[in-house]
Order: sequence, then structure tokens, then C-alpha cells
Amino acid sequence: DTAVSQTPKYLVTQMGNDKSIKCEQNLGHDTMYWYKQDSKKFLKIMFSYNNKELIINETVPNRFSPKSPDKAHLNLHINSLELGDSAVYFCASSQERLRGYTDTQYFGPGTRLTVL
Amino acid sequence: QQQVKQSPQSLIVQKGGISIINCAYENTAFDYFPWYQQFPGKGPALLIAIRPDVSEKKEGRFTISFNKSAKQFSLHIMDSQPGDSATYFCAASPGTYKYIFGTGTRLKVLA
Repeated sequence: DTAVSQTPKYLVTQMGNDKSIKCEQNLGHDTMYWYKQDSKKFLKIMFSYNNKELIINETVPNRFSPKSPDKAHLNLHINSLELGDSAVYFCASSQERLRGYTDTQYFGPGTRLTVL
Repeated sequence: QQQVKQSPQSLIVQKGGISIINCAYENTAFDYFPWYQQFPGKGPALLIAIRPDVSEKKEGRFTISFNKSAKQFSLHIMDSQPGDSATYFCAASPGTYKYIFGTGTRLKVLA
């Protein structure tokens, strides 16, 4: 069974469109994340959610709106897509840190977004 | 202060050799330092991680060395194999919800 899954794997769209990427984890984790990996492989955190609550928003434009309907899902909706949004988007999850727990992040397979 | 500097950007090693990747940080609030391995078309996967209360951690052929006073940590891959060819990322976290990643090192192990 896939621990963290994302759909779709590839997304090609025109500038100005609105699109969504879905993420689901079956690990029972409390915390979920969205990352953006650009063409130079640089990996940057966008959002962190804990128990469906937004914890971190790393100065991401408000065209990006994450939504967490429950602890197992964190979807990413992007409005008015721009050329610079082209990247690979990764969802990840981890268990909230408690004494003795590691903070292993489990990443999904990624969604390659291409904006034309 | 939130940066993690990683070097080298790329590395070519002969099979059986030692691969060494270095990272440096400035924020003393960081208290968890994982290394991730990423193969093309895949998401990053945790390789090994360390906390600042130990200076070294070894798991199989992979070792993290940690120098708290210098604010540096490194990944050593012993007996490097062609299957180790991937991009490696160091990261640092001041808490559960935020991770700062290094810029990545593309490792190629020649057969």
C-alpha cells in the first residue's frame, strides 16, 4: 500500500487556469506538508498542516490555497496559474514530535506541473 | 539564518569509494538533521537522521558526522555502489512543522 499518494502525477495546463492536486496519507500521521521542487531541484516548504490546522505558510502567494478536509488529506488548489508555477509539487506527512519520536517525513511521488 | 548550505553540488565517485557530502547551518535552534535520498521521478526518502546530542550515527554504509560547535554535519557513504547514484539532500528542523533543505548533491557512482 502506498503511504503517501498524490494525484495526478502529471498536470499540463494553460496559463490563467485553476487546478488542484490531491494528497492522501494512510500512515495515521498528524502533520502534512506541501513542497515545491524547482528545475534546479531546490526543495522548498510551502505549507505545514497539523490536525487540519494551518501551521506554516512560507510566504506563498495567495493564489495557492491548501485545504485539509481531514487529517489524512491535504489538497492544493492553485488559481490563475503562471509560468513560474511550473515545478514538481510534493506532499509529505510526519508524526507530530513527541519525546522519543523521530520526525521522519514520508514524501509522495510528486506531481509535475507544467504551465504553458 | 534559515539557510542550510550544502556542498558539493555534484560528486563523481568510483565504485567502492567513499562519498562525502557536507552541510552547514547557522540557526542554533535547529535540533533535527535528516538526510534524504531522491531518485529521478521519485519523492525524497529519509536515509538517516541525527540529533545534536550525538556526534556520529551509523546505519549500514551510511554515516552522519555532526559537529555542533562548527554547526556542520556531513554524510559519508562507504563502499559506494552504482545503485547509490541519486540526489542527496541534507535538511534541518527547529521543530516538527518546518524543514529547511540544502540545495542537493547529485552523486554519480561509476561502475
